[in-house]
Amino acid sequence: ETGVTQSPTHLIKTRGQQVTLRCSSQSGHNTVSWYQQALGQGPQFIFQYYREEENGRGNFPPRFSGLQFPNYSSELNVNALELDDSALYLCASSLHTLRLAGNTGELFFGEGSRLTVL
Amino acid sequence: AQKITQTQPGMFVQEKEAVTLDCTYDTSDPSYGLFWYKQPSSGEMIFLIYQGSYDQQNATEGRYSLNFQKARKSANLVISASQLGDSAMYFCAMREGRKGGSEKLVFGKGTKLTVNP
Repeated sequence: ETGVTQSPTHLIKTRGQQVTLRCSSQSGHNTVSWYQQALGQGPQFIFQYYREEENGRGNFPPRFSGLQFPNYSSELNVNALELDDSALYLCASSLHTLRLAGNTGELFFGEGSRLTVL
Repeated sequence: AQKITQTQPGMFVQEKEAVTLDCTYDTSDPSYGLFWYKQPSSGEMIFLIYQGSYDQQNATEGRYSLNFQKARKSANLVISASQLGDSAMYFCAMREGRKGGSEKLVFGKGTKLTVNP
């Protein structure tokens, strides 16, 4: 186990609704990244949070937003849900440093939140 | 253009045999990192092995080794002595990004490995 926990594990929403997904990062990690994994695809980067601010964003519309809290936990919010938002949403924590020797910047992933939009 | 290409949608291997999963990548950044992750049906991405672009030797982690051919831009994963528990999706990923800045992983589409008894 990685120590990264996500909730809820499964949820079903209807088109147009809003959803909030939550992530608790591994102890000692200060950075959280969110990825969307559609069925049969590899994960795609949504955004990253460091020190409670967005620190990089992938090709996702503004209705995808996030927060990071002082304890480094994080939320992913998606407004105006669309059918194509159905996916596994993965949270990953890491330690953001100036890439010390031996630090791979490895991401530790949670088990994900599986969202179905009807 | 795809940055990570995994050309094998599915692979089969007999238990106790070795298997190679292919991965090619594309980047103009001289500093990058290559990762392999395993994803069982539970959904969690499990880190297997890492290779830095400046590393002189191929990475090894137990039964996993990475065949890194920089000039060919390939980073194939070799699993030796396959076990039934190795059956899963395998993803190759590349990290790009400047030091101290946002670093994201770009994933390939994955290879589904099935280990037969």
